[in-house]
Amino acid sequence: GAGVSQSPSNKVTEKGKDVELRCDPISGHTALYWYRQSLGQGLEFLIYFQGNSAPDKSGLPSDRFSAERTGGSVSTLTIQRTQQEDSAVYLCASSLGSSEPLEFFGPGTRLTVL
Amino acid sequence: KNEVEQSPQNLTAQEGEFITINCSYSVGISALHWLQQHPGGGIVSLFMLSSGKKKHGRLIATINIQEKHSSLHITASHPRDSAVYICAAYSGGSNYKLTFGKGTLLTVNP
Repeated sequence: GAGVSQSPSNKVTEKGKDVELRCDPISGHTALYWYRQSLGQGLEFLIYFQGNSAPDKSGLPSDRFSAERTGGSVSTLTIQRTQQEDSAVYLCASSLGSSEPLEFFGPGTRLTVL
Repeated sequence: KNEVEQSPQNLTAQEGEFITINCSYSVGISALHWLQQHPGGGIVSLFMLSSGKKKHGRLIATINIQEKHSSLHITASHPRDSAVYICAAYSGGSNYKLTFGKGTLLTVNP
């Protein structure tokens, strides 16, 4: 596709369950970013990939959060043992490279933890 | 204190009015983004600028690097401009992370 895509668009889960969120970046974009937007809060950086490597995972809020990227393309953000405070919109963005500041954002996945 | 501050937090205008949204930042940056997010919608990058001024249609963005301040202007505002406008600072180099302001909710009434 022409843009960054994310799936699912909405996810409702029960507290304690694991969830996987997927991001398909723009073809050829080597840099991929995950952000979180909680209700009433600004955007929060979670993790960044350059290729398949994640040089900085310090934005992940707890060890229940993990992310991987395979083949330099698709990325998966996994949240284990979800908590209600994990409810947010999770946004993915990609850019041509880490030194290229222009980022293209996906539509986001709205996660609701009951 | 957030490193990127926006004002106002909320703004209501009548159709046709000239709109200004301000962004101040405390970190050194190499570029600043203005983003637009419609209710329930995704985020669109409006401008990326590192100096001077950029114009696209009715939107104008300016930045003053010395004063660490940027403004987004909307001329002849329209109800379809209603959205959250977010400024984000990019430090550049190995500092790939964007630091976001909390956004300005703009409502333009007909």
